[in-house]
Amino acid sequence: DIQMTQSPSSLSASVGDRVTITCQASQDISNYLSWYQQKPGKAPKLLIYDASDLEIGVPSRFSGSGSGTDFAFTINSLQPEDIATYYCQQYDNLPLTFGQGTRLEIK
Amino acid sequence: QVQLQESGPGLVTPSQTLTLTCTVSGDSISRVSDRWSWIRQPAGKGLEWIGRISISGGTNYNPSLKSRVTVFADTSKNQFSLKLTAVTAADTAVYYCAGDIRQASGNYVFGYWGQGTLITVSS
Repeated sequence: DIQMTQSPSSLSASVGDRVTITCQASQDISNYLSWYQQKPGKAPKLLIYDASDLEIGVPSRFSGSGSGTDFAFTINSLQPEDIATYYCQQYDNLPLTFGQGTRLEIK
Repeated sequence: QVQLQESGPGLVTPSQTLTLTCTVSGDSISRVSDRWSWIRQPAGKGLEWIGRISISGGTNYNPSLKSRVTVFADTSKNQFSLKLTAVTAADTAVYYCAGDIRQASGNYVFGYWGQGTLITVSS
């Protein structure tokens, strides 16, 4: 299985801050990576696919980058509604696997 | 607007078989997506992909659960289902059904999600 390691596991930031989460794959997954946002009690929501493509309807303050084994997810100008847990997920190989999640809180 | 809704027993006795059904509404399941998955999340933990069915044919399962899992579909009812045998307390989780969206790149990602249903395994 491909292991996905996210960092940090939690982080606290202020409204308006730029926030970056990293995700490292245990082997080369090219750009077959997506990012999801999960709010408490809700299903995950697709934000980014193919490492850097923004899903339709997702605000442009969200972005993704990377390829191979190292990826990053950035929120420019953090908003209160961005409080959630964020997951990366690889779809290069089966079984499909997720990172352990990064919990984002507002200071 | 495509919507997914999980249905199931809520409480399952250890060693029994869990069966969950996902009903797709808003369009034909075959037109919405070819690939439909089950994903679970124990309380306070991360996401685990369980397995998927392709409407055009074929299934794939997570090796960690493969011996106990079956995913099947009934296109006439716009539904797909999960069967998990010999459940234990470790199978207690919120179970999500999800459907793939095929992006312009040709890649498939989880674009449709049900709200999730909590399954508790306990005697």
